[in-house]
Amino acid sequence: KAGVTQTPRYLIKTRGQQVTLSCSPISGHRSVSWYQQTPGQGLQFLFEYFSETQRNKGNFPGRFSGRQFSNSRSEMNVSTLELGDSALYLCASSLAGGAASSEQYFGPGTRLTVT
Amino acid sequence: AQKITQTQPGMFVQEKEAVTLDCTYDTSDQSYGLFWYKQPSSGEMIFLIYQGSYDEQNATEGRYSLNFQKARKSANLVISASQLGDSAMYFCAMRELRGSTLGRLYFGRGTQLTVWP
Repeated sequence: KAGVTQTPRYLIKTRGQQVTLSCSPISGHRSVSWYQQTPGQGLQFLFEYFSETQRNKGNFPGRFSGRQFSNSRSEMNVSTLELGDSALYLCASSLAGGAASSEQYFGPGTRLTVT
Repeated sequence: AQKITQTQPGMFVQEKEAVTLDCTYDTSDQSYGLFWYKQPSSGEMIFLIYQGSYDEQNATEGRYSLNFQKARKSANLVISASQLGDSAMYFCAMRELRGSTLGRLYFGRGTQLTVWP
């Protein structure tokens, strides 16, 4: 079965612009989580969606938002980009994100550079 | 307080030797899951192994095994017969399986493993 896919893989944006990243989970997986990875802060949780509802949110400003569609695909949006938003954005999918979820697989990531 | 602590920023091991990567965790939940991931320089997070808090046996997946000591709250990864391709960053992570943080993974800062010939 196909793995988690993320598009685009690389992105260069200018400060002040906005960006939308996409994640398609493994078929049958209903939970999608997003993480930001930077050298300074490590891996930080952004948010998690399950059945089109945001179930969890990390400590990020409101410029970071997301959504999930009925086919479980998810998008995250960052508005008014700042230099500090440069990072690897990773998406993870799991069946339910709960007790039964020993599976939590990540996509290849989107590397965002803000100039 | 840190949920996941990995105290070894870097580890070196010779090819074909075994290596243990340390991980301790902090939770007051009884129900949780522990994960190890490998991240090569390409950036992709590769799932290696999972241990549930109620699992009585230590998890094993090929050359990977998880040394789970619940009372000590440690979940060390053991890689047997290291290969050059094992050189990568390794992350320990935890998910609490009840409560408001369900679905969220907490990660450690990682251990950079270098395998030398």
